[in-house]
Amino acid sequence: QVQVVESGGSVVQPGRSLRLSCAASGFTFSSYGMHWVRQAPGKGLEWVAGISSNGRNKYYSDSVKGRFTISRDNSKNTVFLQLDSLRPEDTAVFYCVKRQAYSSSSSFDYWGQGTPVTVSS
Amino acid sequence: DIQMTQSPSTLSASVGDTVTITCRASQNIGTWLAWYQQKPHKAPNPLIYKASTLQNGVPSRISGSGSGTHFTLTISSLQPEDFATYYCHQYNSYPETFGQGTKVEIK
Repeated sequence: QVQVVESGGSVVQPGRSLRLSCAASGFTFSSYGMHWVRQAPGKGLEWVAGISSNGRNKYYSDSVKGRFTISRDNSKNTVFLQLDSLRPEDTAVFYCVKRQAYSSSSSFDYWGQGTPVTVSS
Repeated sequence: DIQMTQSPSTLSASVGDTVTITCRASQNIGTWLAWYQQKPHKAPNPLIYKASTLQNGVPSRISGSGSGTHFTLTISSLQPEDFATYYCHQYNSYPETFGQGTKVEIK
């Protein structure tokens, strides 16, 4: 069965960095785009970043562009999110999500359980 | 960026009721719209994609419709497990965006 499992969330001071990982299994990882969606405490869902199946195309929300970097290792079925220059407003649960179809025009069909990131001094 | 506006923000209903949630896009997104259900402290659960196609295992009392800029999610014969928060999501173009959510609570 399909599984996506995030790790790497932590409490970190403003300005510091963090690297999130998402290990996937149960599907042909190299055929699907992968994304990160976050949810601040008590707030709604916010799309953060996405990467194409082959890793060549990367997309970011304006709120994280230049600070976060998405990457993937298809040999290890893992996607990463490097979080730099963290701000208190980045505090959120970060979800790793899988595209439903090969095309970029598809929704998300599997979500991880989320990994919490807290940015606080 | 495409703005997604859901209404209402909160909806009070009883078991057995039929409820409708609306999602409006600030631009034409065709049918590139999905709906998700989220319960407290849980990851979102996909319900519908391409505006009206049910994900596997989603009960038929849940339905979606719409195209362009106006979309609806309807839950017929509301069940106890349907009390949750619902989000729409446009994947027509980047940056992808979500509605602010609609909480369906027990009246």
